[in-house]
Amino acid sequence: DTAVSQTPKYLVTQMGNDKSIKCEQNLGHDTMYWYKQDSKKFLKIMFSYNNKELIINETVPNRFSPKSPDKAHLNLHINSLELGDSAVYFCASSQGRTGVEQYFGPGTRLTVT
Amino acid sequence: QQQVKQSPQSLIVQKGGISIINCAYENTAFDYFPWYQQFPGKGPALLIAIRPDVSEKKEGRFTISFNKSAKQFSLHIMDSQPGDSATYFCAATGGSEKLVFGKGTKLTVNP
Repeated sequence: DTAVSQTPKYLVTQMGNDKSIKCEQNLGHDTMYWYKQDSKKFLKIMFSYNNKELIINETVPNRFSPKSPDKAHLNLHINSLELGDSAVYFCASSQGRTGVEQYFGPGTRLTVT
Repeated sequence: QQQVKQSPQSLIVQKGGISIINCAYENTAFDYFPWYQQFPGKGPALLIAIRPDVSEKKEGRFTISFNKSAKQFSLHIMDSQPGDSATYFCAATGGSEKLVFGKGTKLTVNP
């Protein structure tokens, strides 16, 4: 199936730990995104890569570091996890840098205890 | 300038009724206005989108109405069905690579 996939779907960890979320898309898109959806369902862009180049870097703590090994993959590494990092993280992809027609993955629910 | 204001926050409609969700924006550089549908436990899915060169776009039971002078756009769901119960997000982009989302509307369609 052509899609945006994320692993893991659920992540439960303790404060202070480091964790990673992986994203892959097989839609042939050249731009990928990370979004955070908080408990009130608000969707906020965090990062965007176009052909492995970082093009959007919102005001996000530097504990969050994205990495794009190729245009089909975008991973998110989070250091020193805090309670406030608990949220659902979505990966998305689109063709081109304009932000139109973004396709979202199923999300990773991160719970920090 | 970068905000998209969405209302109502929640909406309850009877089966067969019309659901209407409204959004307003300030940034005149916005030139693409999509609506996303999100079911519980799933990622948002692109539902329908419009550009400002048309005032209305219809796909099945879903219609976007766009008022460029008022800087407003709305989603109409005709003959609403219980399966339409979801959270709906309006969004906008243009002039930058960012898609700016409204805060979402939780739609409940009662049988």
